[in-house]
Amino acid sequence: DTGVSQNPRHKITKRGQNVTFRCDPISEHNRLYWYRQTLGQGPEFLTYFQNEAQLEKSRLLSDRFSAERPKGSFSTLEIQRTEQGDSAMYLCASSMPGLAGGTDTQYFGPGTRLTVL
Amino acid sequence: AQKITQTQPGMFVQEKEAVTLDCTYDTSDQSYGLFWYKQPSSGEMIFLIYQGSYDEQNATEGRYSLNFQKARKSANLVISASQLGDSAMYFCAGNRGSTLGRLYFGRGTQLTVWP
Repeated sequence: DTGVSQNPRHKITKRGQNVTFRCDPISEHNRLYWYRQTLGQGPEFLTYFQNEAQLEKSRLLSDRFSAERPKGSFSTLEIQRTEQGDSAMYLCASSMPGLAGGTDTQYFGPGTRLTVL
Repeated sequence: AQKITQTQPGMFVQEKEAVTLDCTYDTSDQSYGLFWYKQPSSGEMIFLIYQGSYDEQNATEGRYSLNFQKARKSANLVISASQLGDSAMYFCAGNRGSTLGRLYFGRGTQLTVWP
């Protein structure tokens, strides 16, 4: 399967701990996105990369959040000093603008569900 | 920015019938894209269909079609011949075509297909 993969699928942690999630995009895709989805809501944008460059960050991405894509392939999202409000589904998506006539269709992974106790 | 509104929290349809899920958008951009995604209970977002603001014809993908009315700023999803497996959350999303990039999502519509 060559879709977007995310690990771990589930993470339970205690308040104050650090967590790191990984996303592996579709291999030929140069853009990688992170979104957060809380219960009953649509996904909210966090940040995205084009190759290794982080091009945009949402104000939702507080100082406790950091994302990297060091070699332009996989990406990691780290949350430091987790809070209960960080409990959510973290979704990763990848795209290759221009592959389909100028669109930027994003393909999503299965997500990482974070529970902060 | 794009603002996406989905006003139907839940919809019910009988198997084999057609159903329309509503989506309106608000943007000052001339160029933008509109997308529909399906999210089953497993959580993964599955891309269904795309409509570009300059596309003159409504997009279709199998049983999915997008009823795009630019003047009304609406991009409704039509699912024909509903199947039990269509039961899921459906999200409308838009981007800003001038920069592509981030998607703005609506709150979603929970579709339930009954036999």
